[in-house]
Amino acid sequence: KNQVEQSPQSLIILEGKNCTLQCNYTVSPFSNLRWYKQDTGRGPVSLTIMTFSENTKSNGRYTATLDADTKQSSLHITASQLSDSASYICVVSVSNDYKLSFGAGTTVTVRA
Amino acid sequence: DTAVSQTPKYLVTQMGNDKSIKCEQNLGHDTMYWYKQDSKKFLKIMFSYNNKELIINETVPNRFSPKSPDKAHLNLHINSLELGDSAVYFCASSQDLQSYNSPLHFGNGTRLTVT
Repeated sequence: KNQVEQSPQSLIILEGKNCTLQCNYTVSPFSNLRWYKQDTGRGPVSLTIMTFSENTKSNGRYTATLDADTKQSSLHITASQLSDSASYICVVSVSNDYKLSFGAGTTVTVRA
Repeated sequence: DTAVSQTPKYLVTQMGNDKSIKCEQNLGHDTMYWYKQDSKKFLKIMFSYNNKELIINETVPNRFSPKSPDKAHLNLHINSLELGDSAVYFCASSQDLQSYNSPLHFGNGTRLTVT
C-alpha cells in the first residue's frame, strides 16, 4: 500500500469554478509536504511546501493546507483556468531520510 | 534557459537494444536523480547522485546504469531493453539531498517506447 494516497484520481471542472484535491499520508516521521503541478508532456513543478508547523500556504490561486495530526493535506484551486489542467502530485519527505514518497497524482481537467 | 534538460525527448527502439538518455542541469545543484513514470503517472525513484556519488539505488535491474561525469550531468544507460522498460524517464536535480528549500527541478522527460 502506497504511503501517500491522493483523491480523487481525476476530476473535471468548469472554468471559473473551484476545486479541492486531497492527500493523505502515513509516512513517519514527517518532515515536509510539497505539491507539484505536472503539465502534459512536461516535468513536475513545485507549487508549495509545508512543514509540520504550517497549516496553510498560498501560491496565487493555489492554496495548500496541512493537518499534521490527521496526516492530511489539501490543495484548493480557486477560479480555475484552462491552464490549471494538469496532474497534481503530493510528495512527502521523511526526517533523516533521503527518500521521498510520491502520491499517484490527481488529474484535473478544466473545461470552458 | 532550460534548467534541467534531457535528451532525447522521444526514444523508440526494439527489444534487446542498448540506449542512453542524457541529462544536464545548469542550476549549480549538488544532487541529481532519475525517476521512472509509468502509465499510471506514478513517479518512482531509480537513482540519486550527490556530488557525483551514488546515494540512492532503488531496486532497478542491472541493465540500468547511471553515470555522472560531473555534478552537472547524470546520464542513464539501458542495456538489453525490454517491453516493460517503456515509460517516461525524468531527470531531476535539487540543491542538496534533503532540505526545506530544495524542491526537485525536473526535466521534461524522455518517453521511451520499446517495441
